[in-house]
Amino acid sequence: DQQVKQNSPSLSVQEGRISILNCDYTNSMFDYFLWYKKYPAEGPTFLISISSIKDKNEDGRFTVFLNKSAKHLSLHIVPSQPGDSAVYFCAASDVDSSYKLIFGSGTRLLVRP
Amino acid sequence: GAVVSQHPSRVICKSGTSVKIECRSLDFQATTMFWYRQFPKQSLMLMATSNEGSKATYEQGVEKDKFLINHASLTLSTLTVTSAHPEDSSFYICSARDPTGAWNEKLFFGSGTQLSVL
Repeated sequence: DQQVKQNSPSLSVQEGRISILNCDYTNSMFDYFLWYKKYPAEGPTFLISISSIKDKNEDGRFTVFLNKSAKHLSLHIVPSQPGDSAVYFCAASDVDSSYKLIFGSGTRLLVRP
Repeated sequence: GAVVSQHPSRVICKSGTSVKIECRSLDFQATTMFWYRQFPKQSLMLMATSNEGSKATYEQGVEKDKFLINHASLTLSTLTVTSAHPEDSSFYICSARDPTGAWNEKLFFGSGTQLSVL
């Protein structure tokens, strides 16, 4: 049973346009959500996070939106750049889990020049 | 910034042999490290939580006798895949938590180890 789901395995967007990556979760106990970026044969690198007490967090070109009632979060990248091409994972955790992360299956983003 | 070093990056071994993977925190002391496993096009699955000076905590379904974890110091955790079989072939990634800051921004990942068992 996947507690964190990324239903789109891939996404292709034009450079300069907005990239929207989606993530759904089922565990209502999750209270912290993170997005990671991963290149092939490398470990994930942290991008942005959001606490369940917020509905939006912005950092430069990256914005994460959280809809608790829908158990849905999304990552917006605007404007998208070719260097953003990578696999993006969303992850979730709860305060009682001692920092353990549950990951989605990832979405491969391709930004076309 | 903080760096987590993981070695080797790639290993090919014969079925029945054991393989050790090292995970080191270079800039901080990591009281907690995590070991993940990733199959192609799938998510990172948490295998175990490694706590310095104590026994690792394994996730349900992970064989502790198969995947031996040792966290003998604050900067080193090792994962040993014992008597490896082809089904153990996977990408293994460690992560380490820097306890001095907000945990969400202080969880760093190694570069991963691709294990291929022939």
